[in-house]
Amino acid sequence: NAGVMQNPRHLVRRRGQEARLRCSPVKGHSHVYWYRQLPEEGLKFMVYLQKENIIDESGMPKERFSAEFPKEGPSILRIQQVVRGDSAAYFCASSPLISGGALTGANVLTFGAGSRLTVL
Amino acid sequence: KQEVTQIPAALSVPEGENLVLNCSFTDSAIYNLQWFRQDPGKGLTSLLLIQSSQREQTSGRLNASLDKSSGRSTLYIAASQPGDSATYLCAVGGNQAGTALIFGKGTTLSVSS
Repeated sequence: NAGVMQNPRHLVRRRGQEARLRCSPVKGHSHVYWYRQLPEEGLKFMVYLQKENIIDESGMPKERFSAEFPKEGPSILRIQQVVRGDSAAYFCASSPLISGGALTGANVLTFGAGSRLTVL
Repeated sequence: KQEVTQIPAALSVPEGENLVLNCSFTDSAIYNLQWFRQDPGKGLTSLLLIQSSQREQTSGRLNASLDKSSGRSTLYIAASQPGDSATYLCAVGGNQAGTALIFGKGTTLSVSS
């Protein structure tokens, strides 16, 4: 039973290019969270998604950043026209939806190993 | 707005020592609190989860306590080992299920042999 899989683990981009980070949640988990960890900083929440829906994107920068979690396939965090300040580790986490619809198991997050983006 | 603070930011101890890591949060209306471990360049490993109705959780040499009313949690590590060297992160969940975890900046622990 694989955990949360993130790829690529390391990504190097030049300023102005696009970065796409992928996250495959734990099998059976329907909730995905993206976090960003800047050097010397804590993890900052970016966005919370369920299948095909964005639930909370209050932590997402208003421009250049987008996220999706399609019905089929992994969740994607997309950063357009990257700048040096986007260099960070991006972590994905997933959580289950407990049967009956009650999210009593939510917030029990399983994290991936992260994708480290370096912008030159 | 929930804010999570961890003290100290860094801690160095000799092997075998018992130690306490502190976490405080500003809004006591939390759903749960989790302690994670992060090794350099790696992801997060969940250590202990305390639901808002609980006072403490134990796993091996680790014991985490929660005092919601005062907005505090502690992580107690008994008989520390060099393998315990890592950054320990405290995170609180919002007042309802499904809300995002808010993290502290962590305490970086170094245990020397």
